[in-house]
Amino acid sequence: KAGVTQTPRYLIKTRGQQVTLSCSPISGHRSVSWYQQTPGQGLQFLFEYFSETQRNKGNFPGRFSGRQFSNSRSEMNVSTLELGDSALYLCASSWGQGAGEQYFGPGTRLTVT
Amino acid sequence: SQQGEEDPQALSIQEGENATMNCSYKTSINNLQWYRQNSGRGLVHLILIRSNEREKHSGRLRVTLDTSKKSSSLLITASRAADTASYFCATDPNTGNQFYFGTGTSLTVIP
Repeated sequence: KAGVTQTPRYLIKTRGQQVTLSCSPISGHRSVSWYQQTPGQGLQFLFEYFSETQRNKGNFPGRFSGRQFSNSRSEMNVSTLELGDSALYLCASSWGQGAGEQYFGPGTRLTVT
Repeated sequence: SQQGEEDPQALSIQEGENATMNCSYKTSINNLQWYRQNSGRGLVHLILIRSNEREKHSGRLRVTLDTSKKSSSLLITASRAADTASYFCATDPNTGNQFYFGTGTSLTVIP
């Protein structure tokens, strides 16, 4: 089975711009979660989607949003980028909702200048 | 915060030695998982231990869980240079469906 894929792998944006990141889960997996990883804050949960519905949301401002399509692929969007949004954004998929083993993609490295 | 904390933050050992890292968490959990992350890459799932289990083995990995102390430990035996990575514990609290990752232990295995 192909693993979780994320595109793009690297991205450089300017403050104030917006960005969309994409995640394709493992075939058959219906749950997709997004995480932000920074040296200072570690791994922080952004949100989880299951069957096209957002099931959980972490403590992030409304500038961070996401969606999931009928084929389980997911996108996350960050609007009005700030310097502090520079991070590694990781996507993880699992078969069911919530708990259980998660399979992570390689991440998208976002740099905001 | 419900985030777990790993201890130590960093660990450096010689190849062949054992490495032990600990994780403490704050709330009741359904399960606890350990993940490995090689520099700047995605996480790889290592092992899951349920709240009603006390010990679990997988190859050179041994995980223990003490729910009364809200702590877990990961032991890597006979370490190899390829084990050099950051290790994270992740807890699945039994209130809510999201994971909380710890702060991570950076392990360096010197050949």
